[in-house]
Amino acid sequence: LAKTTQPISMDSYEGQEVNITCSHNNIATNDYITWYQQFPSQGPRFIIQGYKTKVTNEVASLFIPADRKSSTLSLPRVSLSDTAVYYCLVGDDRGSTLGRLYFGRGTQLTVWP
Amino acid sequence: DTEVTQTPKHLVMGMTNKKSLKCEQHMGHRAMYWYKQKAKKPPELMFVYSYEKLSINESVPSRFSPECPNSSLLNLHLHALQPEDSALYLCASSQAGYAGTQYFGPGTRLLVL
Repeated sequence: LAKTTQPISMDSYEGQEVNITCSHNNIATNDYITWYQQFPSQGPRFIIQGYKTKVTNEVASLFIPADRKSSTLSLPRVSLSDTAVYYCLVGDDRGSTLGRLYFGRGTQLTVWP
Repeated sequence: DTEVTQTPKHLVMGMTNKKSLKCEQHMGHRAMYWYKQKAKKPPELMFVYSYEKLSINESVPSRFSPECPNSSLLNLHLHALQPEDSALYLCASSQAGYAGTQYFGPGTRLLVL
């Protein structure tokens, strides 16, 4: 299983762009990269998933370099409500029924006014 | 409907009690998961059900007994728990083979006295 490494915490101000980088040096060919957001006492919420290059949705962008050994979650113009823990997960997905995913330590993002 | 519901929201039990946690989803997902999350820690995978069959048991003690009565329901039966089992128990579901895109419930906050 590919282990992930993320910064433990990050601080930002409202309106700024935030980039959270995750390292996953041992990512396997079949692995996808997925990011989740979690608020206190709530279940994690899926944000975005990608395999390579760039993925964008209404919430965030995910940048994955060609070697796939890292990925960067980009949150444009953050607000106070984006204060949460962000988890980077790497695991087999399409074509697998095992569902073996592991959450790393996550990054606590704090947005200040 | 993209909601996973969990009952109860909170549960206090003694070490000799027997209780059950319930999880329900109506998204047609055929993979369902139980996670355990301690304070300030990431969720830890406990069990995975795929097509109503247990596919992963992450060496969880036998005092935790999962059950999947049908494709929409997932139970976690608790018996003779220890105080260190106090945690937030999260249920999630996904399309089978799409483990990265899991939908989580709000969790059950369990306190074992």
